[in-house]
Amino acid sequence: AQRVTQPEKLLSVFKGAPVELKCNYSYSGSPELFWYVQYSRQRLQLLLRHISRESIKGFTADLNKGETSFHLKKPFAQEEDSAMYYCALKNGANNLFFGTGTRLTVIP
Amino acid sequence: ETGVTQTPRHLVMGMTNKKSLKCEQHLGHNAMYWYKQSAKKPLELMFVYSLEERVENNSVPSRFSPECPNSSHLFLHLHTLQPEDSALYLCASSQYFSGELFFGEGSRLTVL
Repeated sequence: AQRVTQPEKLLSVFKGAPVELKCNYSYSGSPELFWYVQYSRQRLQLLLRHISRESIKGFTADLNKGETSFHLKKPFAQEEDSAMYYCALKNGANNLFFGTGTRLTVIP
Repeated sequence: ETGVTQTPRHLVMGMTNKKSLKCEQHLGHNAMYWYKQSAKKPLELMFVYSLEERVENNSVPSRFSPECPNSSHLFLHLHTLQPEDSALYLCASSQYFSGELFFGEGSRLTVL
């Protein structure tokens, strides 16, 4: 079985401050990890995936297999980053399982 | 219309009613999904269809019955639901294996 844990329901940071949204997973196989984002009044959408190793909107995430983590980071938060963020894991059957989400608020 | 469209956006039904949720995708994808989103719970995967065949049924009660007549349409038939089934039901589509799901806006279901 697989499990995705996002320990923080709510996270507030000031504009310009660094932000880190935590994600831990448990899975016996080789995981593929994703971050999805839902901005206010918009639908849930993909932000980034670990295999791409890319930076999207200034966000990066590194898969740490030793710590079974996939934390999302951004060095300088912007007001437009305020949203709901979901970590997700794709298992060997190609099904995507989500965490409970973290609501990020960036304070001006 | 492009993307993933869900209807109705809101539905209120009694426990003895029969209703259906509809999802349509215009992205040329070959997989479609139903997820349930309840307060304080993770998004719960309910059903997955790939090339119109059900490939995942995540221990969902039989009062939820999916139907995928073609690769562009997905239904969720609802029958004798319980109040705890009240939730936001999200439909998504993807190219199977990709992990990039495209979501609809959801159907908010209230069971009285």
